This record gives sequence, structure tokens and C-alpha cells, in this order.
Amino acid sequence: DAMVIQNPRYQVTQFGKPVTLSCSQTLNHNVMYWYQQKSSQAPKLLFHYYDKDFNNEADTPDNFQSRRPNTSFCFLDIRSPGLGDAAMYLCATEGDGNYEQYFGPGTRLTVT
Amino acid sequence: AQTVTQSQPEMSVQEAETVTLSCTYDTSESNYYLFWYKQPPSRQMILVIRQEAYKQQNATENRFSVNFQKAAKSFSLKISDSQLGDTAMYFCAFMSIQGAQKLVFGQGTRLTINP
Repeated sequence: DAMVIQNPRYQVTQFGKPVTLSCSQTLNHNVMYWYQQKSSQAPKLLFHYYDKDFNNEADTPDNFQSRRPNTSFCFLDIRSPGLGDAAMYLCATEGDGNYEQYFGPGTRLTVT
Repeated sequence: AQTVTQSQPEMSVQEAETVTLSCTYDTSESNYYLFWYKQPPSRQMILVIRQEAYKQQNATENRFSVNFQKAAKSFSLKISDSQLGDTAMYFCAFMSIQGAQKLVFGQGTRLTINP
């Protein structure tokens, strides 16, 4: 089945140690999103790609970066994780003009 | 900027009952999309139902239906014959068709279906 895959599902990192989360999709969607979701809160959009065009939300910390090497893959890099970055990170995709986002299962990040 | 408000942080009903989750939103646009997403505990967020603002007919998907009141900017979700598997966090979301297609989420309603 076509889907959105996130790896790893659980990630533990140390305070200040860079970490990369990955997302892949078999839907061939041209738009990919990264959200941060803290416990019992709504997802918060960090940035999105429209094809290779990167769009950063105004309040996304500089500590968060993203790469999209091709249509299928997108990466979230956290350069120096702090305790406040512990959260679920959701990847989502959308086909152009579809107006419907498909979410991956998320990566739960723990910062020790 | 658009905002979405879900006024019920938590709800609890018995299995087989009908439950309605409330959502209001604020926008100056005339055409947009509204969604209800379901996020079960420790599981993936999935789309339950969507409504296009220019369509007057309320969307329905099996046991799930919406009451879309455009003038009142209200978009409630009705779950009929609730099942244990409906236990989840439910998010109402707005998407503009202008510019970047970003989802604006409400705060969520935690729904528990009791046996």
C-alpha cells in the first residue's frame, strides 16, 4: 500500500547531540510537511516543501533544519536538541491540488 | 490569520451512543476546506472526514457526519453508534485554498468510548 513511513519510530538523543529523523513516501506527492506535536497538543507546523521549494514557518527555531534530496525522502535535522524539543515529530504529504494531507506514524524523540 | 477552536477538551460516552464534537473557526475567506482528523493513542493520525466550503451538503462517511454551518463558522462532527475503536484524540482543522495549503488545527478533543 502507498504510504508515509517514518524512521525511527522512537529516538533517544542526548542534550546537544545532533539528531536526524527521516520520512519517506510512496505516494509520489510533491508536498511534504514536518510537524512537531507535544503531549496532548495540536501539531505545530515547522516547515514544508513544495517540490524542492523550502518554506519555513516564521516561528520555527533555527535549530531545526530540513533536507529533501528527492520526491520520496525528507529529513528533519535538529542541530542541538534541548529538553524542550522532546516531542512527537510528524511527517505528512499532500498531492498538488488534493487538499488532503496523509500523515506518517511519527517519531517520538526523547532528549536526555 | 485563521483560528480553529474546539471548546470540549474531553468527552466520554457509552458504546453505541451518539456523540457530537464541536468546532468553530474564524476566517475571512469564502472558499476553504475543513477536516476532522482522528489520532488514536500511540497511533497514526488519519483523516475522518472533510468538507469543502462551497458545498452546502454536509459530508458523510459511514457513521461519521458533519454539521457545517458556514454563516456561523461552525463545523461539528457527529459519531453515530460509537465503538470502542473510536476512542482517540479528534482534531478539527482548516485549510485555505489560497497560497500555501497549510492545516490550522484546533486544540483537540479527547474522546473516550466506554464499554
